Amino acid sequence: DAGVIQSPRHEVTEMGQEVTLRCKPISGHNSLFWYRQTMMRGLELLIYFNNNVPIDDSGMPEDRFSAKMPNASFSTLKIQPSEPRDSAVYFCASLSRESSYNEQFFGPGTRLTVL
Amino acid sequence: TQLLEQSPQFLSIQEGENLTVYCNSSSVFSSLQWYRQEPGEGPVLLVTVVTGGEVKKLKRLTFQFGDARKDSSLHITAAQPGDTGLYLCAAAGNNRKLIWGLGTSLAVNP
Repeated sequence: DAGVIQSPRHEVTEMGQEVTLRCKPISGHNSLFWYRQTMMRGLELLIYFNNNVPIDDSGMPEDRFSAKMPNASFSTLKIQPSEPRDSAVYFCASLSRESSYNEQFFGPGTRLTVL
Repeated sequence: TQLLEQSPQFLSIQEGENLTVYCNSSSVFSSLQWYRQEPGEGPVLLVTVVTGGEVKKLKRLTFQFGDARKDSSLHITAAQPGDTGLYLCAAAGNNRKLIWGLGTSLAVNP
């Protein structure tokens, strides 16, 4: 079975450019999470969706960040305009409705570098 | 304030040594999970502990949930280079979310 798929794996862009990260959750999972990971702050939850509906976006740093989930098999995280401090690894994770303990399955991540 | 405190933050040992890492909190949790993250990859779930005092074993890894369900430990016996990675603990929070520790970065040298 395919796990969580993220693309691209690496992204290098210049400050001010728009960046779009993509995620395909595990088929049948109904919750999707976007995280950012840095050495200083660890894993930070940015936003999560339940049944394609955004439930909690309190972790989104500012208006430059936006996320969508148009259907159960696809989500995007967009940064516009990007800034050097956005450089981090961004993870997508999905969760089955049948999980009793919120056990999440992660994609391989997108390493973003903003110059 | 970090709800889950992991220690040590970094650990470098020789192959064959034993080690224990800790995940502590002042809060009580209904369950706690351990993940391992290898360089360049996402975290992968190792185990979930649910009952106070519970001990689970996964080959050379032994996980324990504290009696009061506020803390947990991970013990690795005879560590191998393949055990190298970031070990993260996470506790079930509200609304399907997880509360994460910052992790213990383990390096096992051949």
